[in-house]
Amino acid sequence: NAGVMQNPRHLVRRRGQEARLRCSPMKGHSHVYWYRQLPEEGLKFMVYLQKENIIDESGMPKERFSAEFPKEGPSILRIQQVVRGDSAAYFCASSPSSSGRAITDTQYFGPGTRLTVL
Amino acid sequence: DQQVKQNSPSLSVQEGRISILNCDYTNSMFDYFLWYKKYPAEGPTFLISISSIKDKNEDGRFTVFLNKSAKHLSLHIVPSQPGDSAVYFCAASAIGSGTYKYIFGTGTRLKVLA
Repeated sequence: NAGVMQNPRHLVRRRGQEARLRCSPMKGHSHVYWYRQLPEEGLKFMVYLQKENIIDESGMPKERFSAEFPKEGPSILRIQQVVRGDSAAYFCASSPSSSGRAITDTQYFGPGTRLTVL
Repeated sequence: DQQVKQNSPSLSVQEGRISILNCDYTNSMFDYFLWYKKYPAEGPTFLISISSIKDKNEDGRFTVFLNKSAKHLSLHIVPSQPGDSAVYFCAASAIGSGTYKYIFGTGTRLKVLA
């Protein structure tokens, strides 16, 4: 039973380029979350999506960042015109479809994508 | 505003002894708490969780204690093993308020000495 898949594992971009990070949730999971970890810090929530819907994007920077979770295919976190401060580890997590007892829908994390902006 | 705090950045423990990792929170709306373990260059791995209606949850060598009045939780690992050496993050969520995001602490690096 495959876990949460993220690719690429490492991504290098020059300032001003675009970065696309992909996340495939665990089988049977329809809830996806993106977190960012800056060096020496904890994980910070960015966005929570269900299929074709953004549920909570309160942690997303207002500009250059967007996320989607289409009906088919992986969730995508897109960063336009990257800057050095975007260098971080980006983690995706997924949780099972809500059973109405959301407290049991623990989030399981992927291995992360390490973005380096030169 | 750091709502979840892990005040000890590191901890060293002898193999076979107990490891106690601490976490404090400020938001009284938090009702679900978790501990994750993270190795370098990997994603966080879920360890154990506890709902605010309980004060203790045990799973094998891992026990989480919750003190709601003190807004404090702790993770006990007994006995500690060298493979437990990792960074441990506590996380909290206010699921009862309809918020599903986790708020993480900054982590405690545990080193178990053989």
